[in-house]
This record gives sequence, C-alpha cells and structure tokens, in this order.
Amino acid sequence: KAGVTQTPRYLIKTRGQQVTLSCSPISGHRSVSWYQQTPGQGLQFLFEYFSETQRNKGNFPGRFSGRQFSNSRSEMNVSTLELGDSALYLCASSSWTGANTEAFFGQGTRLTVV
Amino acid sequence: DQQVKQNSPSLSVQEGRISILNCDYTNSMFDYFLWYKKYPAEGPTFLISISSIKDKNEDGRFTVFLNKSAKHLSLHIVPSQPGDSAVYFCAASAPGAGSYQLTFGKGTKLSVIP
Repeated sequence: KAGVTQTPRYLIKTRGQQVTLSCSPISGHRSVSWYQQTPGQGLQFLFEYFSETQRNKGNFPGRFSGRQFSNSRSEMNVSTLELGDSALYLCASSSWTGANTEAFFGQGTRLTVV
Repeated sequence: DQQVKQNSPSLSVQEGRISILNCDYTNSMFDYFLWYKKYPAEGPTFLISISSIKDKNEDGRFTVFLNKSAKHLSLHIVPSQPGDSAVYFCAASAPGAGSYQLTFGKGTKLSVIP
C-alpha cells in the first residue's frame, strides 16, 4: 500500500511569489490535513479537508489556502510569500470518520523563501 | 497558549537503558494521544497511541502511560537502541467539531549513545 506522497520535496521561491504544494493521501483515506513545521514552533495545524470540504482551519493568515479534489488529492497554496514562510510543510492522511485513529505523514516539502 | 507541552528539548540515554519521554497537556477535551518519531528531512512516523479510557498501551519496546488526573503522558523505550535517536513528538486529538486535527508538542530530541 503506497504511503502519503508529497511533491515537490524541495522548493526555493522569492518573496512575493506564490507556491502550490501537492499531496496524494493513502488510498481510501478521505481526510487530509496540512501542518507547518518550523524550528522552535513544532508542528502547527494549517487546515483539514474531508471529501473536498475544508472542515477546520488553524491560526494562519488568508495567504494560506488549500483544496481537495474528488480523488482525495490535496493542494496547498501560499500567496505573496514572506521570508517567515520558510518551513517544512507536511501533509497527513487519515481514515478518520469519527473514531480515534492515527494520521500518516508524507516526507514533506521543504520550502525556502529568499 | 500551548496545549501540549514537551518540557525537555533533549534527552541523552545510554544504549540498552530506558528512555522516558514526557508530555503534558492542558485541554481536558483531548481523548486520544499519539507519539511520533521524526528523523531530519523526513515526515513524522507514527509510533504508538493511547485512548483516554486506558492508562497503558504497549507495543514491543514502546509503552505509553497516561495519567488523566495529572494530564500527563510518557513514552518508555526499553531497551534503547542507537536507531531510536530522533525527535519524538507527542500529539493529541479531541472529539467534536467534526474534523480531524492533531495538536503537537514541540518535540524532544532523543540521543541514544552506543
């Protein structure tokens, strides 16, 4: 069974640009969530999608957005990039339908804003 | 306000000895707790979890203990091996709101010395 796949693995962007990150969840998983990891801040929740609907959003500015497609694949977009957006962005997929379960993470996309 | 806290940024343990990683939480609504292990430049890997209705869960060398009254959980690794050297994250989830979200601590870097 294939794991969570994130592309690209590495990105270098310039301030003011926008970026789109992609995530393919584990087959059959309909919940996809995104996290930002920065040194000193740990993993912070960005948003969660289930069946193409955003169900929850963390405390991030509107420059961070996402979407989910009918095949559960998800994309995350960051517009007007700032230096502080440099981070490891992690996607997690889950079979969650209400009962407690774990999430499985991809290898992440390392974004560097210069 | 940090709802999940890992107060020890780092821990060093001799190979073969016990590693104990601690985690505290403040949100009484959390009912499911997870531990993840993370190597640099990789996504977190799920290790073990525990539901709030239990006080112990064991899986091979890994045991998680939960003390609900103290809002404290710990991960025991026995015996510790050099390959266990990584950053360990404690995470928690809460029911309700109809979405899946993990709240993470900032991690503890474990170094197992051969």
